[in-house]
Amino acid sequence: AQSVTQLGSHVSVSEGALVLLRCNYSSSVPPYLFWYVQYPNQGLQLLLKYTSAATLVKGINGFEAEFKKSETSFHLTKPSAHMSDAAEYFCAVSALQGAQKLVFGQGTRLTINP
Amino acid sequence: DAGVTQSPTHLIKTRGQQVTLRCSPKSGHDTVSWYQQALGQGPQFIFQYYEEEERQRGNFPDRFSGHQFPNYSSELNVNALLLGDSALYLCASSRGQGGTEAFFGQGTRLTVV
Repeated sequence: AQSVTQLGSHVSVSEGALVLLRCNYSSSVPPYLFWYVQYPNQGLQLLLKYTSAATLVKGINGFEAEFKKSETSFHLTKPSAHMSDAAEYFCAVSALQGAQKLVFGQGTRLTINP
Repeated sequence: DAGVTQSPTHLIKTRGQQVTLRCSPKSGHDTVSWYQQALGQGPQFIFQYYEEEERQRGNFPDRFSGHQFPNYSSELNVNALLLGDSALYLCASSRGQGGTEAFFGQGTRLTVV
C-alpha cells in the first residue's frame, strides 16, 4: 500500500526566505510522486511531478523537488518565498502507474510573513 | 481550452437525501477520478472511470456511485447522505489510464445539514 507523510501541518517563513516543505512516502512499487498547491476555495494545481526520470524535478512558480529513494523523500523547495506562495501544499503518491488513484498527505499550510 | 469544470459549486442537502455532482473533463482527457476532501484533510480517492466503467475504487461505501458518459463527462451520486459526507468533492481528469498528469476542477462544496 502507498502512503504519504507531510512533516509539519503549518510552515511559516519570511518573504525572500527559503521554503522547505517535507514529504516522505511509502510505496510497494516504484512511485510516481506529485506536489499540488491549493489556494483558498479552489481546486488543486499541479506544481511538479516525478515519474522515474530525473531525480531533481523543476516545477512552476520556481518550485523544485528532489526524489531521494534512500530516504523515501520528495521534499519541495523554493529559494525565495513570495507572498503569493501562501497556500496549502499537498504531496501525493500514485498507487498505480501514472496519476491514477493518488494518495495524498494531510497537507502543509504555508504562511509568508512580510 | 477549458479545464476541468464541475457543477454546482456549492450545494446544501438534508441528511438522508441524495445528491448528484457533475464533472466535465479537460479537452482531450478520457479518464475521470473523484476525490473527497474533508475540511483540513488531504483529498481521498473515491473512484475512477475510464471507457464508461468504474476501474478503481477507494474505501468508500456503496452509497457512493458514479457514471461516465460517452462524451467522457461524469457524475458522482451519493445516496442517504450523512452529516459526515460534508466535504469538498473534487473531480480530476487525465489522458488514458496511464496518464502522468491529473488536472483538478474547482470542486463542489457539499454541506449536509
